[in-house]
Amino acid sequence: AQSVTQPDIHITVSEGASLELRCNYSYGATPYLFWYVQSPGQGLQLLLKYFSGDTLVQGIKGFEAEFKRSQSSFNLRKPSVHWSDAAEYFCAVGAKTSYDKVIFGPGTSLSVIP
Amino acid sequence: KAGVTQTPRYLIKTRGQQVTLSCSPISGHRSVSWYQQTPGQGLQFLFEYFSETQRNKGNFPGRFSGRQFSNSRSEMNVSTLELGDSALYLCASTRDRAYQETQYFGPGTRLLVL
Repeated sequence: AQSVTQPDIHITVSEGASLELRCNYSYGATPYLFWYVQSPGQGLQLLLKYFSGDTLVQGIKGFEAEFKRSQSSFNLRKPSVHWSDAAEYFCAVGAKTSYDKVIFGPGTSLSVIP
Repeated sequence: KAGVTQTPRYLIKTRGQQVTLSCSPISGHRSVSWYQQTPGQGLQFLFEYFSETQRNKGNFPGRFSGRQFSNSRSEMNVSTLELGDSALYLCASTRDRAYQETQYFGPGTRLLVL
């Protein structure tokens, strides 16, 4: 069965520190992978997506993610966190085109200490 | 250009009633997807419409339906509301169904069923 796990329910980091949010997936075929961020002021927003090619994907707001097929992981990273990054982050896996039948992970809540 | 708009933003209904939610995509976007977000089930894909045709549907009962008009605006309908239908309903639009396209989300409609 297709599934996405995000092992960390909540993470707290200090502003300026590096960040890594974990995501593991179970998918029978070649996965299409996404990271979304949801904050009260901005709503839900696509951060980045991976379909093929380079396994290191750059996204908006300084985020990047690395696809590791051998580990079935797609971890999100940012070298220096800003207070405005405090939000809920969702990893998702889908198939083929246009986000159809995408499956979301449960989310990781990020708090940032000034 | 204007973003994705959803109306109404908030809605209170009682069990057994039906509800219709509206989503206006970004101008020029032809694909609209709907999602349900609840504290218990998280984010779940409902359905996707493209060129007035439903292309995909998630695992929801037949009480959940939708349609898309020739101007790409979409509506979703939930009949015979249940308490568990209380959720944030999000819609998102993309220009077309190609995987390169970026998905943009609306602010959501928060539905409370009493």
